[in-house]
Amino acid sequence: KAGVTQTPRYLIKTRGQQVTLSCSPISGHRSVSWYQQTPGQGLQFLFEYFSETQRNKGNFPGRFSGRQFSNSRSEMNVSTLELGDSALYLCASSSRTDFSGNTIYFGEGSWLTVV
Amino acid sequence: KQEVTQIPAALSVPEGENLVLNCSFTDSAIYNLQWFRQDPGKGLTSLLLIQSSQREQTSGRLNASLDKSSGRSTLYIAASQPGDSATYLCAVSYYGQNFVFGPGTRLSVLP
Repeated sequence: KAGVTQTPRYLIKTRGQQVTLSCSPISGHRSVSWYQQTPGQGLQFLFEYFSETQRNKGNFPGRFSGRQFSNSRSEMNVSTLELGDSALYLCASSSRTDFSGNTIYFGEGSWLTVV
Repeated sequence: KQEVTQIPAALSVPEGENLVLNCSFTDSAIYNLQWFRQDPGKGLTSLLLIQSSQREQTSGRLNASLDKSSGRSTLYIAASQPGDSATYLCAVSYYGQNFVFGPGTRLSVLP
């Protein structure tokens, strides 16, 4: 059974640009959540999608957005990149349907460097 | 505010030792608690998931306990090995919300 796949793994962008990251969840999982990890702030929740609907959102500015497709694949977008957006962006998938708290599985992450 | 803390921040032990990692959370109304392992530059690997109604979970050399009333969980690692070296993160979830992560404990097991 394939795990959570994130692309690209590494990317470098310039301030002001925008970036799109992709996540393919484990087959059969309909919940996809995104996290940002930085040395200073640790792991912070960005948003969660379930059946193409955003179910939860963390405390991030509107420059951070996401969506989920009918096949459960998800993308997140960051517009007008700032230096502070440099981080490891992690995607996690879960089979949970009703906040029953099933195990979540993480991808390897996308390393974003903003210069 | 729901916060998760982990003590110690870093730990270095000789191979073969048994060790305990600690996790504390401010809001005891958790839905469940999960322990993860993260290797440098990698994603997180789930180790153990404890539902709020459970007191402990075991997997191989790992044992995690949960005391909701005191807002604490411990991860016990028996007979540590150099391959156990990683950062261990504790995360709690609340109904209708996503996981809140602790800052992690960086473990080094010396051969």
